[in-house]
Amino acid sequence: NAGVTQTPKFQVLKTGQSMTLQCAQDMNHEYMSWYRQDPGMGLRLIHYSVGAGITDQGEVPNGYNVSRSTTEDFPLRLLSAAPSQTSVYFCASSRGKYYEQYFGPGTRLTVT
Amino acid sequence: EDQVTQSPEALRLQEGESSSLNCSYTVSGLRGLFWYRQDPGKGPEFLFTLYSAGEEKEKERLKATLTKKESFLHITAPKPEDSATYLCAVITSGGSYIPTFGRGTSLIVHP
Repeated sequence: NAGVTQTPKFQVLKTGQSMTLQCAQDMNHEYMSWYRQDPGMGLRLIHYSVGAGITDQGEVPNGYNVSRSTTEDFPLRLLSAAPSQTSVYFCASSRGKYYEQYFGPGTRLTVT
Repeated sequence: EDQVTQSPEALRLQEGESSSLNCSYTVSGLRGLFWYRQDPGKGPEFLFTLYSAGEEKEKERLKATLTKKESFLHITAPKPEDSATYLCAVITSGGSYIPTFGRGTSLIVHP
């Protein structure tokens, strides 16, 4: 099993550009989440999904969109990148609300 | 508002010097507390889940315990390869799914 995979590993964007961060899992987990990790702030939840076709907002959803058309994939879209979105982004999956999460390797995003 | 506080922020130990990391929480309706290990440049890796006060879990040199207000991660006779950032997170019984993470403890074990 590959677990949770994320692409790309690194990305540099200019302000105003859009892009999609890819996330896939092969564990047949229903729950998938996107986090951002900033120095001194810890992990903060952006959006999450409890199953295909179902998404909801986390703590810091502004500027990001998600969709979940399959159990395996959960892409994160940045609509118009801003320097404040410079961060490390992690995707995670879990078999349920009260179970542990499995994280991907992360995407380091820089917006100039 | 749910809060999770980890202490200390950073800890330096000599190889073999046992110590404990603390995760205190202020939440209503705790349903689970999780410990993760994060190496530089990588995603967090799951270590333990604790569901009720009094519960303990062990794995090699690590032992996690839980009370009604806090959790401890005890590290016995640490080795340099135990150097990492240790994160704790809580999930409550509320309707939404928003795990709350602490800011982590950065552990360095010197040989």
